[in-house]
Order: sequence, then structure tokens, then C-alpha cells
Amino acid sequence: DAMVIQNPRYQVTQFGKPVTLSCSQTLNHNVMYWYQQKSSQAPKLLFHYYDKDFNNEADTPDNFQSRRPNTSFCFLDIRSPGLGDAAMYLCATSTRTSGREKYFGPGTRLTVT
Amino acid sequence: GQQVMQIPQYQHVQEGEDFTTYCNSSTTLSNIQWYKQRPGGHPVFLIQLVKSGEVKKQKRLTFQFGEAKKNSSLHITATQTTDVGTYFCAYSNDYKLSFGAGTTVTVRA
Repeated sequence: DAMVIQNPRYQVTQFGKPVTLSCSQTLNHNVMYWYQQKSSQAPKLLFHYYDKDFNNEADTPDNFQSRRPNTSFCFLDIRSPGLGDAAMYLCATSTRTSGREKYFGPGTRLTVT
Repeated sequence: GQQVMQIPQYQHVQEGEDFTTYCNSSTTLSNIQWYKQRPGGHPVFLIQLVKSGEVKKQKRLTFQFGEAKKNSSLHITATQTTDVGTYFCAYSNDYKLSFGAGTTVTVRA
């Protein structure tokens, strides 16, 4: 089945130790997103790729970076995780057409110790 | 920028009863999407509304888009335990999806 896959599902990292979260999709969608969701809050968009074009949200900290080496894969790099970065990180995809539904992966829950 | 406000934040429902969650914007929206997130899960797309006054039904769920395209509602009839979760409205603008705060629903059996 076509889907959005995130690995790992749970990630524990130490304060200040770089960490990379990965997302892959078999939907062949052009647009890929990274959202951060903290407990009892709505998902917050960090950035998105339209094909290879990277679009950063204005309030996304510089500590967060992303890479999209090909259509199928997208990575979220947190260069120096702080305690406040502990959250669920959701990857999502959508088709080229603006306004279409988003398909979310199961998420990676990040713990910072 | 545009923001959508959702009320109530929490909804405690007796099994079998109906409830409604509301989504409001101060500006006209080109579309509204609804997502459901089960506890411990990820958001799952339910529906998109784009036309003024549009009403769509999915079994016990009824979605409505206001005439002015500034508000939307989700009405669930005969609530079941499977309806537990957080319901988000969201608007899609230029490929980006912005969520309301969500309504978290719990069900008393």
C-alpha cells in the first residue's frame, strides 16, 4: 500500500547531540512537510519542500534543518536539541495541486534527556 | 495571516448523544479541511469543503461550510467510543496547512 513511513518511531537523544529523523513516501507526491506537535497542541509547520524547493517557516528555529535528496525521502536534522524540542515530529505529503489533502506519517516521538 | 479558532477545546460526551465542534475565521477561507487524530496517532484526513454553504455527510458525521466561508462545523450524531480523539479544522493556503487548536473528544460509556 502507498504510504508515508517515518523512522524511528521513538528517538531518544541527549541535550545538544545532533539527531536526524527520516521520512519516506511511496505516494510519489511532490510536496513533503515536517510538522512539530507538542502535547495537547496542534501540529505546527516547520518547513516544506515543493519538489526540490525548500520553504522555511519564518518562526522555525535555525536549529532545525531539512534535506530532501530525492522525491521519496526527506530528513529532519536537529543540530543541537534542547529540552524544548521534545515533541512528536510528523512528516506529511501532498500532491502538486494546492489545497489537496495531506497524508501524514505515524510520527517520531523525540525525547531529549 | 489567517487563523482559525476552534471551540470547544474539550468535549465530554455521553455515548449515544450528539455534539458539534466549531471552527471560525475572521477572514474568508478558500477551503476548510477536517482531520481526526486518535490518541497516540497521527492526523487523518476526513474531508475538504470548498463551496459556500456546502454540507457533506460521512455516516454519522456532518460537515458544513458557512455561507460567508468564514466558519465551519462538524456535527457527530449518536456518539460512539470510536469517536474519541482530537478533531482539527485546518485551512490550506499555497500548499501549507494551518491547523486550528482542535477539539478533544472523550466519550462516557
